[in-house]
Amino acid sequence: QQQVKQSPQSLIVQKGGISIINCAYENTAFDYFPWYQQFPGKGPALLIAIRPDVSEKKEGRFTISFNKSAKQFSLHIMDSQPGDSATYFCAQYPGDSGGSNYKLTFGKGTLLTVNP
Amino acid sequence: GAGVSQTPSNKVTEKGKYVELRCDPISGHTALYWYRQSLGQGPEFLIYFQGTGAADDSGLPNDRFFAVRPEGSVSTLKIQRTERGDSAVYLCASSPGPGRATGELFFGEGSRLTVL
Repeated sequence: QQQVKQSPQSLIVQKGGISIINCAYENTAFDYFPWYQQFPGKGPALLIAIRPDVSEKKEGRFTISFNKSAKQFSLHIMDSQPGDSATYFCAQYPGDSGGSNYKLTFGKGTLLTVNP
Repeated sequence: GAGVSQTPSNKVTEKGKYVELRCDPISGHTALYWYRQSLGQGPEFLIYFQGTGAADDSGLPNDRFFAVRPEGSVSTLKIQRTERGDSAVYLCASSPGPGRATGELFFGEGSRLTVL
């Protein structure tokens, strides 16, 4: 199974700080590189996603930066808040260009704690 | 509208017993996924349905695991002769399907299985 390698495993940030989570992928044959957010006891929910032909996408305090040559992408959370404390997963998704493969593959996750 | 519904939310069983986990996807979503999530890990792909057929069952760990979706809506994940290593949260997700694939899967809250 194609892997996305995610780091760090855990991250502690002070309120108002910037949280940065990184992912590296192996194969470029994917249409979307999403980030999912998961709170305890809940299923993952899509936070933000980027296509590989775009270098950056911003939605509010959340930004994805995509480096195609390095096969890396990262999530930046600006002005981090205690309510952002959750586990974050990067993923890769082939989309309609993947033939019959619509499998979403996740990284191992980053536990983010934002202290008040 | 209603999200993905999974039952039971918690299931405790004894080693060797048979277990069924049910998923009711979002109405109109043709794609349905099962994932397994162990503590501190990312969701691990098990199987993907497009309509009634299993388009990709490459993630099922062995022949004790089986899933069906007979009418293209509700799906049941079946685990025979359960083992302690099967203990995990089983997540179900749905999405609109091919032609509308954006990398967004809508997850339920999961069924937590504990095998004693």
